[in-house]
Amino acid sequence: SSELTQDPAVSVALGQTVKITCQGDILRNYYASWYQQRPGQAPVFVIYGEDNRPSGIPDRFSGSSSGNTASLTISGAQAEDEADYYCNSRDSITGHLVFGGGTKLTVL
Amino acid sequence: QVQLQESGPGLVKPSETLSLTCTVSGGSISSGSFYWSWIRQPPGKGLEWIGYIYYTGNTKHNPSLKSRVAISVDTSKNQFSLKLNSVTAADTAVYYCARGEVGVGFEHWGQGMLITVSS
Repeated sequence: SSELTQDPAVSVALGQTVKITCQGDILRNYYASWYQQRPGQAPVFVIYGEDNRPSGIPDRFSGSSSGNTASLTISGAQAEDEADYYCNSRDSITGHLVFGGGTKLTVL
Repeated sequence: QVQLQESGPGLVKPSETLSLTCTVSGGSISSGSFYWSWIRQPPGKGLEWIGYIYYTGNTKHNPSLKSRVAISVDTSKNQFSLKLNSVTAADTAVYYCARGEVGVGFEHWGQGMLITVSS
């Protein structure tokens, strides 16, 4: 089915590493892209493809993928990384796009 | 740098049609293999893909919205538009327009526009 599943909430201690996951069958055919959204702001594109960062995104953000699971890793989380994170991908059969439900990241 | 800006009425009455336009600047809507998309976010909830259009006019939309959605493009104005008919309070959301690319994702987003459905 065209669904992407994310854990609703994850926490990480300041300076530690956290992995946010996204699961769905459509990820077997297309990589996920990842978006950071702070309260009251539009989403920001942070990772795409196998492990690519758009210009301006800190290198502590990285991506990976295996089978039906995509992951966003933040190595050395900072206070400003506290935000909602969404994955997105494409259904190779229908061409429809799907967002995961989002993960609220708390930096302790 | 590509920029997108949503515009339209911020208040729509129940059962009427929501109409939004996204104006693209800093690049041509007709260039490349990009798709131009609408995404919404109800208050306190997650992102929902509404649909997209290529400059050729080919479109796809979220099947959950059934046949209520129409997306069109005006290459002469560098704009694309959304119409959502028979709206209810459940359609109240921040509506974003965005530029996407297959295998990449949504690199550019508009700032978003809150649309309230209320009488």
